[in-house]
Amino acid sequence: EVQLVESGGGLVQPGGSLRLSCAASGFTFSSYSMNWVRQAPGKRLEWVSYVSSSSSAIYYADSVKGRFTISRDNAKNSLYLQMNSLRAEDTAVYYCARDRGSHMAFDPWGQGTLVTVSS
Amino acid sequence: EIVLTQSPGTLSLSPGERATLSCRASQSVSSTYLTWYQQKPGQAPRLLIYGASSRATGIPDRFSGSGFGTDFTLTISKLEPEDFAVYYCQQYGSSIFTFGPGTKVDIK
Repeated sequence: EVQLVESGGGLVQPGGSLRLSCAASGFTFSSYSMNWVRQAPGKRLEWVSYVSSSSSAIYYADSVKGRFTISRDNAKNSLYLQMNSLRAEDTAVYYCARDRGSHMAFDPWGQGTLVTVSS
Repeated sequence: EIVLTQSPGTLSLSPGERATLSCRASQSVSSTYLTWYQQKPGQAPRLLIYGASSRATGIPDRFSGSGFGTDFTLTISKLEPEDFAVYYCQQYGSSIFTFGPGTKVDIK
């Protein structure tokens, strides 16, 4: 069974840092591009970042560019999101999602991890 | 950046009725990269339709997608109780993914 499990969320003060992880299983992780998507409470989904299978291509949303860094370790079947200079508006559930391939669709998604930025 | 608009914001229907959801883009979107998701409260989104009209694995055939250019539609032919949820469209272009604001389908 394909599974994605996020971890690392929590409460952090404005200006602080947090590192999210996503553990993948049930598929050949190194063959798939991956994404982070977030959803603030009661708000729409917002794509955060993309990394290709070999990390040769990395994209970010303008809202996080320069503050967040996506990375992956194919040997550990893991995806990461290093979040620095956190702001209140970064408060959200963060999901990792596998890229389906040629159609750039996300499937499946993890269950999400909540990040709260507050003093 | 391409902006997606979804209408209506809320659709109140009864089980068995047909639902028609619209997704409009601020500029032309490649059909290859137009996707629909379903999200229920407290759950992660689930892929429904990719490539504007292809159903994902395990998605019932009452769900169908259509459209091209700037106008896309998700149709649910006969609503089942489990279909009441929020539906998002998404597009990819120029190294950016964007989502629409969602359409909530609730029980009338």
